[in-house]
Amino acid sequence: SQTIHQWPATLVQPVGSPLSLECTVEGTSNPNLYWYRQAAGRGLQLLFYSVGIGQISSEVPQNLSASRPQDRQFILSSKKLLLSDSGFYLCAWSTLDRANTEAFFGQGTRLTVV
Amino acid sequence: LAKTTQPISMDSYEGQEVNITCSHNNIATNDYITWYQQFPSQGPRFIIQGYKTKVTNEVASLFIPADRKSSTLSLPRVSLSDTAVYYCLVGDLRFNAGKSTFGDGTTLTVKP
Repeated sequence: SQTIHQWPATLVQPVGSPLSLECTVEGTSNPNLYWYRQAAGRGLQLLFYSVGIGQISSEVPQNLSASRPQDRQFILSSKKLLLSDSGFYLCAWSTLDRANTEAFFGQGTRLTVV
Repeated sequence: LAKTTQPISMDSYEGQEVNITCSHNNIATNDYITWYQQFPSQGPRFIIQGYKTKVTNEVASLFIPADRKSSTLSLPRVSLSDTAVYYCLVGDLRFNAGKSTFGDGTTLTVKP
């Protein structure tokens, strides 16, 4: 069966520090991968998505970046965090092999920038 | 982009049927409608998906009128554990993630 791992679960970082959040998927190949951010009490904002290794589409200009060094690995990074980067970050995957548009989400990372 | 609008919150009691509507006036021809459930500090979980008419699975039904400008998630006989935030997603993440839009969610509170 397919599983998605996202870590860490919580993170407190000072302003100006770097960030690296990692997401890995098991049990499937060539998945679409996504990074979402969710502000408190709000919906999900798509940050980046990837349809293949090295292919990254950015939806929101900001000081975050994403990389996909391997087929089932998706990394969200920042060189210098801002207070406004605080939020709940969610990784998700979907596959073209399925008959529907279902996306599977990780458990999320609660990032607090102080 | 198909902007989606949902009620911010709804209250219900155990055993009742709950209907949550999502408006999406600008839905595109290739867009699907998908509903997710999210508990606090967890990732959303898929509930149901449809394109038109009615879809039913073991946990919910989804009603989509002919013009597809809205959709209604129906939860039969809710329990306390159904208290969560429910999101509609309009689009197709597989082929058009950049134009797929989540609503801001409806917080459903089920009371005993």
